[in-house]
Amino acid sequence: GEDVEQSLFLSVREGDSSVINCTYTDSSSTYLYWYKQEPGAGLQLLTYIFSNMDMKQDQRLTVLLNKKDKHLSLRIADTQTGDSAIYFCAEGDSGGYQKVTFGTGTKLQVIP
Amino acid sequence: EAGVTQFPSHSVIEKGQTVTLRCDPISGHDNLYWYRRVMGKEIKFLLHFVKESKQDESGMPNNRFLAERTGGTYSTLKVQPAELEDSGVYFCASSQGQNQPQHFGDGTRLSIL
Repeated sequence: GEDVEQSLFLSVREGDSSVINCTYTDSSSTYLYWYKQEPGAGLQLLTYIFSNMDMKQDQRLTVLLNKKDKHLSLRIADTQTGDSAIYFCAEGDSGGYQKVTFGTGTKLQVIP
Repeated sequence: EAGVTQFPSHSVIEKGQTVTLRCDPISGHDNLYWYRRVMGKEIKFLLHFVKESKQDESGMPNNRFLAERTGGTYSTLKVQPAELEDSGVYFCASSQGQNQPQHFGDGTRLSIL
């Protein structure tokens, strides 16, 4: 079955770049996602990338996809204290209806 | 446009009781999904509706869980009787089409005592 792995914790200084990495197993995934969960809040769709792309940039966010290595990363430029949250990597099932498989989440701590 | 809304945000019940969670998807989204995260584990898929039909319920843990989506609009997830291991956060998501990104609600935190 599908499996998504990511590190549990990342600490960066305010103003630095953060890079959160993820590996997945389903090479047929159509979409790969990054969701953000702030304390006490729900899952916010942060960004996503279609599997035929290798990069997507959206303001401070850059998503890189290496399909050969099944590796996905999220780079946050100029990290702010408001970026502190749990970031979930997820892949959409290769089947018709895109069941999403999540990683364990990476807790990003931004140090002022 | 309103997002996915879930009710209640938090429910505390005793073991053996019944609880019903509700999800209102984004208007016009035919696809509705339920997920849950139990203590210390990943967020796991439970089931998927397309309109009022169940397309995939492979993630439902057992027959104490019943999901419905009468009329193809909002959905309910009933747990009867609730057990201690059912405690966790239950998320609902919706998408416009089968190959569109899923948008999640804030979740319902379910605590079984």
